[in-house]
Amino acid sequence: DQQVKQNSPSLSVQEGRISILNCDYTNSMFDYFLWYKKYPAEGPTFLISISSIKDKNEDGRFTVFLNKSAKHLSLHIVPSQPGDSAVYFCAASANDYKLSFGAGTTVTVRA
Amino acid sequence: GAGVSQSPSNKVTEKGKDVELRCDPISGHTALYWYRQSLGQGLEFLIYFQGNSAPDKSGLPSDRFSAERTGGSVSTLTIQRTQQEDSAVYLCASSVFLAGGPGDTQYFGPGTRLTVL
Repeated sequence: DQQVKQNSPSLSVQEGRISILNCDYTNSMFDYFLWYKKYPAEGPTFLISISSIKDKNEDGRFTVFLNKSAKHLSLHIVPSQPGDSAVYFCAASANDYKLSFGAGTTVTVRA
Repeated sequence: GAGVSQSPSNKVTEKGKDVELRCDPISGHTALYWYRQSLGQGLEFLIYFQGNSAPDKSGLPSDRFSAERTGGSVSTLTIQRTQQEDSAVYLCASSVFLAGGPGDTQYFGPGTRLTVL
């Protein structure tokens, strides 16, 4: 039973434009959300997180938005760069160390 | 410094055989996690070790799965009598223990791809 869903398996975007990745969750106990980025043959690396007391968190080119009523979060990457081409995982936690992950979205940034 | 390392990177085995997967966490990280990712699925939590506390085994899918962590460092995940549905990428992560919550950033290894024929 997937509690975190990333319904778009892939996304292609032109360099310099905005990438928007979406994530939906079903467990209302989730109160902390994270995005991880993964390059081929490497493990996922932490990118950005947001607590449920906020609706937005920004770190450089990366911004995460949280809509609790819709159980939806999104990651915006502006501007997109070739090095952003990777798999992005959304993850959620009910305030403990167990993370529930989505299946990932593969982002390809075209030059 | 060195990151989390896992071995082997790939393992092909026959159904019914036992396999052992190894994880070397980042030095000084007292928390260690195992996840697996089956094809088309997200990472699934398996087990958590923190210091000398009893491990949280709540994510292990069956009693064929076990894990240990020796000396608070290296961990081994063992799968007995492997089945084809065990085929997945097994990922290990470690973290500094701050509060034992999601704010303890987990650093992942590259994973072991297990294929059960």
